[in-house]
Amino acid sequence: GAVVSQHPSWVICKSGTSVKIECRSLDFQATTMFWYRQFPKQSLMLMATSNEGSKATYEQGVEKDKFLINHASLTLSTLTVTSAHPEDSSFYICSAQDRVGSPLHFGNGTRLTVT
Amino acid sequence: SQQGEEDPQALSIQEGENATMNCSYKTSINNLQWYRQNSGRGLVHLILIRSNEREKHSGRLRVTLDTSKKSSSLLITASRAADTASYFCATALLYSSNTGKLIFGQGTTLQVKP
Repeated sequence: GAVVSQHPSWVICKSGTSVKIECRSLDFQATTMFWYRQFPKQSLMLMATSNEGSKATYEQGVEKDKFLINHASLTLSTLTVTSAHPEDSSFYICSAQDRVGSPLHFGNGTRLTVT
Repeated sequence: SQQGEEDPQALSIQEGENATMNCSYKTSINNLQWYRQNSGRGLVHLILIRSNEREKHSGRLRVTLDTSKKSSSLLITASRAADTASYFCATALLYSSNTGKLIFGQGTTLQVKP
């Protein structure tokens, strides 16, 4: 089945630094990937739709300069949290479709802790 | 907010019992999907029901959809301890060109006691 790999699974960084999270589709090509943020015991909040070869589409209220998304190939999207602050600490998850209209395949998430 | 609501927020049952979770949404949909999330992990797709379908089965899972009431239910029969997880419904909006953009419900945390 379609597999999405997300790396790292957890990361601790200091305030002011930047952190990059990778999302890879291992056995299919994904022209579109999705990035979410999840707070403890809460639902997923869609942050942005990552489009291969073009700019990401950000949801309302999500700072595009804060959360940089790059989708340079059909199998890789990256989310960079720039100038991280403790309030950016969260669980970040990516997903992708292996074909239009299919269910989403999710990565295992990245636990970001900013100290 | 377009986000759906699920109830109950938490459910605790004994192994072997059935678990029912409900989901309500606000806008017209193309399909509704149910996902499962183990603690600290990504989501796993369970089942998809289209707007023109009323009921769907997959193994021990039964999903119903009532578009007139904008609601869905997920029934897990003969539950097992391994079913312990959070369950989310997610809707794909009608006429959306982005078929992967889903609106997730708040989730139901299910605990199945051995």
